[in-house]
Amino acid sequence: EVQLVESGGGLVQPGGSLRLSCAASGFTFSRYWMSWVRQAPGKGLEWVANIKQDGSEKHHVDSVKGRLTISRDNAKNSLYLQMNSLTAEDTAVYYCARDDLGSLDHWGQGTLVTVSS
Amino acid sequence: QAVLTQPSSLSASPGASASLTCTLRSGINVDTYTISWYQQKPGSPPQYLLRYNSDSNKQQGSGVPSRFSGSKDASANAGILLISGLQSEDEADYYCKIWHSSAWVFGGGTKLTVL
Repeated sequence: EVQLVESGGGLVQPGGSLRLSCAASGFTFSRYWMSWVRQAPGKGLEWVANIKQDGSEKHHVDSVKGRLTISRDNAKNSLYLQMNSLTAEDTAVYYCARDDLGSLDHWGQGTLVTVSS
Repeated sequence: QAVLTQPSSLSASPGASASLTCTLRSGINVDTYTISWYQQKPGSPPQYLLRYNSDSNKQQGSGVPSRFSGSKDASANAGILLISGLQSEDEADYYCKIWHSSAWVFGGGTKLTVL
C-alpha cells in the first residue's frame, strides 16, 4: 500500500524557516516524480514544486522561487521542502504527492504550517 | 486572468448528472493539454479521479467509478468532468489541473452540492 507521511509543520515567525519531510513507503520511490502542493485555510489547491526521479530536474511555482526548495533522498525514501523567509501567505496545509505521468495519484494527509508572530 | 477558471459552486439532484467545467485562459488551447481532475472532501486530502486528453488518451484513477468521466469542449476551450448518477457521497470540491509553463496549475475549484 502506498503511504506518504508528512512531518515538520508547526508555528513559525515571519522570516523564519522550516523543513518539511515526506516519508514514502509501499512503492519504489526512486521511480517517480514527486510534488508538494499546499492549501491555505479555506482556499483551493496550489502546486508548490516537483522533482524528477533522480533529483536532476526541479520546478517551483513563481511565488516561492528563491525561498522554498524541494529536494529528495532516494536512499531514505524521503521528500523534503526547505522553507525560508516565510510570510503569512505561506500559511497552509502542505501535502506531498506522487506524480505518476502527470497524475498526482497518491497524497499524504498533510502537515500544517502556520506563519505568525 | 487565471490560467484555469472553474465555477465556484454547482448544485444537482441525486441521480442526475453534473457537468463541471474547467475553462482555459484565452490563448491556451485546450486541445494541446491533458486535464486532470481531483476530488476533495472536507478534512481529507485530494483524491485523483482521472486525466483526459482525448478519447484515445485518457486514464481513470484506480478504483474510481466509471460514472466519473472526462471530456473536452473545444468550442468553449474547456475541459469537462461529467458525473452521472449523482450520489450524496459525491458532494465535494473538485479541482482541475494542467501542466503549463513548467508548472502544475490548479483551477480554483468547484463546490458540488448534491441535494
